[in-house]
Amino acid sequence: DAGVTQSPTHLIKTRGQQVTLRCSPKSGHDTVSWYQQALGQGPQFIFQYYEEEERQRGNFPDRFSGHQFPNYSSELNVNALLLGDSALYLCASSLEGGPWDNEQFFGPGTRLTVL
Amino acid sequence: QQQVKQSPQSLIVQKGGISIINCAYENTAFDYFPWYQQFPGKGPALLIAIRPDVSEKKEGRFTISFNKSAKQFSLHIMDSQPGDSATYFCAASRVNKIIFGKGTRLHILP
Repeated sequence: DAGVTQSPTHLIKTRGQQVTLRCSPKSGHDTVSWYQQALGQGPQFIFQYYEEEERQRGNFPDRFSGHQFPNYSSELNVNALLLGDSALYLCASSLEGGPWDNEQFFGPGTRLTVL
Repeated sequence: QQQVKQSPQSLIVQKGGISIINCAYENTAFDYFPWYQQFPGKGPALLIAIRPDVSEKKEGRFTISFNKSAKQFSLHIMDSQPGDSATYFCAASRVNKIIFGKGTRLHILP
């Protein structure tokens, strides 16, 4: 049973560029959340996707956008990259209406470096 | 506004000792309190979680103690082992959005 997978593992971009990160949820899960983890900090909630719609959003600018596909996989897009966007981007999946529907399982993350 | 406060920032414990990490929250609407363990270069792994209607939950060497009236909860790691050396995050959740503490770097001396 595959857990949450993310690609790519590492990514280097320059300021102003755009980036797309990908996530496949744990088998049987239908909800995907994205988090940003700066070095030495706890993860910060970016947004959550369920039924291909963004249904919750944290305190992140519109440069951060996402998408969920019919197979529940998801993408995170970041436009006009800033140096401060350098972080570990984590995807977490969960099952809506499950016995512990808050329970989220995290992937290994994508390390984004903006130069 | 930091909704989940975690302490200490770092902790050193002898092998076989008890590691204790404390957290406090502000929003009484939170209804799920997980603890995550994270090793360098990896994503957070769910360790143990509790709902606010329970005062204690134990899984193996890990125990969560929960004080709803004080809005505080803590993680106890019994018989701490060098393999437990990692960063631990407490968190609180409402409607699937998880708010994390800033983390505790735990080091177990061999």
